[in-house]
Amino acid sequence: GDSVTQMEGPVTLSEEAFLTINCTYTATGYPSLFWYVQYPGEGLQLLLKATKADDKGSNKGFEATYRKETTSFHLEKGSVQVSDSAVYFCALDTGRRALTFGSGTRLQVQP
Amino acid sequence: EAQVTQNPRYLITVTGKKLTVTCSQNMNHEYMSWYRQDPGLGLRQIYYSMNVEVTDKGDVPEGYKVSRKEKRNFPLILESPSPNQTSLYFCASGKGSLYEQYFGPGTRLTVT
Repeated sequence: GDSVTQMEGPVTLSEEAFLTINCTYTATGYPSLFWYVQYPGEGLQLLLKATKADDKGSNKGFEATYRKETTSFHLEKGSVQVSDSAVYFCALDTGRRALTFGSGTRLQVQP
Repeated sequence: EAQVTQNPRYLITVTGKKLTVTCSQNMNHEYMSWYRQDPGLGLRQIYYSMNVEVTDKGDVPEGYKVSRKEKRNFPLILESPSPNQTSLYFCASGKGSLYEQYFGPGTRLTVT
């Protein structure tokens, strides 16, 4: 079945550090890929998405590139801020009417 | 303001006492879904609905019921809650399953 694997957290960084959160997937067909972010006490919000191979999704300084050859969709940001502290979820959709989520990676950014 | 609302936000109940968690969206979305979030497991889909009167099971439907009588509402029903249903529940809606889903703020349920 479809699955998403994310690096375990928490990831603790200092402000302005470079961020990478790894995400790999297993899926039949050609899924769409998403990153969602969950701030403390809130629901999930779509951060970025990519719908086909080699697409790059970007938003708020975050980027992720859909790599079909390595089945990956790693999230990156060049300079994190304290306000980026949240839980990040990688997800895929193969069109079977459900998102399949990874287990989430907690990011803590220290001043 | 476009939003998905859930009520209640927090609920503590006892085993076997029927409860309903409401979900409502004001974006005229056809697709709605319920997820539960558990530590280390991410979000898992319970039920979804493609439109009014059209519902189907997700990955973990046991112990839950849903209904979709109106486009805007998608309540989650636990007829006989058990402690293993203690979790954080999210409702979501979207234009379709392949589009962005908008999530509610979550309902934290504790069953003792």
